[in-house]
Amino acid sequence: QQQVKQSPQSLIVQKGGISIINCAYENTAFDYFPWYQQFPGKGPALLIAIRPDVSEKKEGRFTISFNKSAKQFSLHIMDSQPGDSATYFCAAGGRDDKIIFGKGTRLHILP
Amino acid sequence: DSGVTQTPKHLITATGQRVTLRCSPRSGDLSVYWYQQSLDQGLQFLIQYYNGEERAKGNILERFSAQQFPDLHSELNLSSLELGDSALYFCASSVLPGKTGNTIYFGEGSWLTVV
Repeated sequence: QQQVKQSPQSLIVQKGGISIINCAYENTAFDYFPWYQQFPGKGPALLIAIRPDVSEKKEGRFTISFNKSAKQFSLHIMDSQPGDSATYFCAAGGRDDKIIFGKGTRLHILP
Repeated sequence: DSGVTQTPKHLITATGQRVTLRCSPRSGDLSVYWYQQSLDQGLQFLIQYYNGEERAKGNILERFSAQQFPDLHSELNLSSLELGDSALYFCASSVLPGKTGNTIYFGEGSWLTVV
């Protein structure tokens, strides 16, 4: 049972453009929504996270938008750079200690 | 470097065999998580331990088992291996379980190839 659905599976963006990755969740008990970034040969690393009491969180070029009523959240990468090329995972967690990940989006930024 | 150490980094074994993957969490972290990553399934949560006790269970097969030892390191045992078990297995750790917003830190993974 996939509780976090992520799209697109892969994404190609021109340097300087905006990369947008979307996720949807089913379990309304989730109350923590992190995004992880994974480079080849490395483990995922926390990029940015949001709680459902806010609709947006920004850290540098990375922004999470959260829509609680639609049970959706998205990652926006502004002014995308070749160094942003990686696999991005959205995730959701709650009080049961599980962090459930989406299937990932392979992002490639064209130089 | 996340501070989470996994061994071995690469492992090739035959079907039907048994392997053990080892994880040392970050210093001070009490909770350990195991994830399986494959191309088509993404990151699948397998199991979590906190201070030696099983805390949460995900899609872990009965052929797989794990434990966390008193020194907090953890082992994931995979038995009766099948070709489909070939994947990247991640260990992760965090300070506390059950605290929403608790950052988990991943190791670099153990590549398992079953032939």
